[in-house]
Amino acid sequence: AQSVSQHNHHVILSEAASLELGCNYSYGGTVNLFWYVQYPGQHLQLLLKYFSGDPLVKGIKGFEAEFIKSKFSFNLRKPSVQWSDTAEYFCAVNGRNSGGYQKVTFGTGTKLQVIP
Amino acid sequence: EAGVTQFPSHSVIEKGQTVTLRCDPISGHDNLYWYRRVMGKEIKFLLHFVKESKQDESGMPNNRFLAERTGGTYSTLKVQPAELEDSGVYFCASSQFQGPYGYTFGSGTRLTVV
Repeated sequence: AQSVSQHNHHVILSEAASLELGCNYSYGGTVNLFWYVQYPGQHLQLLLKYFSGDPLVKGIKGFEAEFIKSKFSFNLRKPSVQWSDTAEYFCAVNGRNSGGYQKVTFGTGTKLQVIP
Repeated sequence: EAGVTQFPSHSVIEKGQTVTLRCDPISGHDNLYWYRRVMGKEIKFLLHFVKESKQDESGMPNNRFLAERTGGTYSTLKVQPAELEDSGVYFCASSQFQGPYGYTFGSGTRLTVV
């Protein structure tokens, strides 16, 4: 079975600080990895995704994530956060087994609060 | 393109009552998923439709939950009778294909059972 761990439950940063949110997954086969974001009062949106190829993935709004296969990690980064980045961030994994793709499994989420 | 639509956005019901949640996926998306998030916990998979067929319902908590997708278009999720632990946010998502494409989510239905 696949699983996802997000170790930071609540992160508070000042504007312009750098961000790194941890995500580790557990799955023995080929995986596809995602970060979703939920801004206050809005629905879940796809921030970025990794399928294959370059392990450094760039998403919207200046976010990027790096897939490190040896560490089973897919950490989310942003060099300089803004107040508008205040949201909850979810890491997710979609594993591929012999029968096709498994359902997407989400982590518990990390609430990011950016202080002006 | 219209997104995934869910309604109601909020529902407050008493324990023992019945509630039906509805999801309208993006037109042409054969795959429809239901997820649930209980307060502060992870977003958990409930079930997956491919058109009108249930491909995977391994996440359905118990037989008080019934999901349908008649005609392969919109889907309903009925909880009968509702219990306190059913409170949470129910998300619906759809995708055109299975696989590593990511889903488009609806805004969710916040269900409170009192």
